[in-house]
Amino acid sequence: DVKVTQSSRYLVKRTGEKVFLECVQDMDHENMFWYRQDPGLGLRLIYFSYDVKMKEKGDIPEGYSVSREKKERFSLILESASTNQTSMYLCASGTGSTGELFFGEGSRLTVL
Amino acid sequence: KNQVEQSPQSLIILEGKNCTLQCNYTVSPFSNLRWYKQDTGRGPVSLTIMTFSENTKSNGRYTATLDADTKQSSLHITASQLSDSASYICVVSAVEAYKYIFGTGTRLKVLA
Repeated sequence: DVKVTQSSRYLVKRTGEKVFLECVQDMDHENMFWYRQDPGLGLRLIYFSYDVKMKEKGDIPEGYSVSREKKERFSLILESASTNQTSMYLCASGTGSTGELFFGEGSRLTVL
Repeated sequence: KNQVEQSPQSLIILEGKNCTLQCNYTVSPFSNLRWYKQDTGRGPVSLTIMTFSENTKSNGRYTATLDADTKQSSLHITASQLSDSASYICVVSAVEAYKYIFGTGTRLKVLA
């Protein structure tokens, strides 16, 4: 079975702190994605990566950066967390340009 | 504008009853449509995929339909169980690579 593992299920951070969210997949997928999920808004794409060291901005990249140094790992970085970044963050991986997405369990971030 | 709209937003049914969830999309050009199930606090899991040429596909008690002409899909759940309580998300892939458009989901609650 495909497994996408997110490093933290729940985090509480203070405004201005730097936050790292890590995601690891074990199926050798080329593509990895970071989404945030908010009530009534659905999933919104922050960044995605289709290869090591490659990254593309999604719909809402402001305030976020990403890193993909190894194929299996995709990290989301909040350089200076703000309260409006309180959300559920979902990592996904997949193959092909329209293939099925496999999601991690999510990381619920609260910024105080 | 590429959009996916789902209805109803929420639904409550009694265990053993059937229900149908709707998804309308305006994504073009269309590649495929997937239904995902998301349990509370967990990541979404794919239930079924529909491509342009497919009208109906079943996965156990779940049956998805697609009308590519009217750009509508439905997910029918037969003989509902308590474990069906979840959010159901319709996701449409555009031919444009890595472009996934998410609906806001239908929250289903099955009562004993």
